[in-house]
Amino acid sequence: DAKTTQPPSMDCAEGRAANLPCNHSTISGNEYVYWYRQIHSQGPQYIIHGLKNNETNEMASLIITEDRKSSTLILPHATLRDTAVYYCIVSLSGAGSYQLTFGKGTKLSVIP
Amino acid sequence: GAVVSQHPSWVICKSGTSVKIECRSLDFQATTMFWYRQFPKQSLMLMATSNEGSKATYEQGVEKDKFLINHASLTLSTLTVTSAHPEDSSFYICSAPQGPYEQYFGPGTRLTVT
Repeated sequence: DAKTTQPPSMDCAEGRAANLPCNHSTISGNEYVYWYRQIHSQGPQYIIHGLKNNETNEMASLIITEDRKSSTLILPHATLRDTAVYYCIVSLSGAGSYQLTFGKGTKLSVIP
Repeated sequence: GAVVSQHPSWVICKSGTSVKIECRSLDFQATTMFWYRQFPKQSLMLMATSNEGSKATYEQGVEKDKFLINHASLTLSTLTVTSAHPEDSSFYICSAPQGPYEQYFGPGTRLTVT
């Protein structure tokens, strides 16, 4: 899997948008960008994934640059419960290709 | 979303004993499950891939004779830590893919070896 680079930590005011960047300059054409988060002492939780196009679901939006070398996860209205470590992962998809390699992630602290 | 459970959620065992951790997919079948280990303030490290009906695949540096994995059914994988030592104390997490994209994680099992 390609490596990713994320800032180690970020703060965000409650109610504001949280924008978490990720660099994945060596991503290959058939690799997806996945975002997971891990709240303290829990298992990771899937947030969103994308290949080329921007994606949105009930949790977040994912913006992928045209050259696919970087992406941004957007939590539109951060709450205290969004405080967690956010992992950006690039991985092949499809049967038998589910291995996820976790980096150090970004520790997001939502401030009241 | 899909649910993956783990049992127990925490366990304390004495050095030299063995402990079994169960991972269940509650509302879907999983021919493949993954086991991760996470030390304090570190990221998740993949230990092994559990395959239903066949042998597990271990990552480099993970002792297969110490971490026994059994994937006997489409909804259950077990990880047995044999002859546990204090350095095996960690947070063990399993996951299972559902569909082509999403992977669901269990809540984790905290193992403390005294």
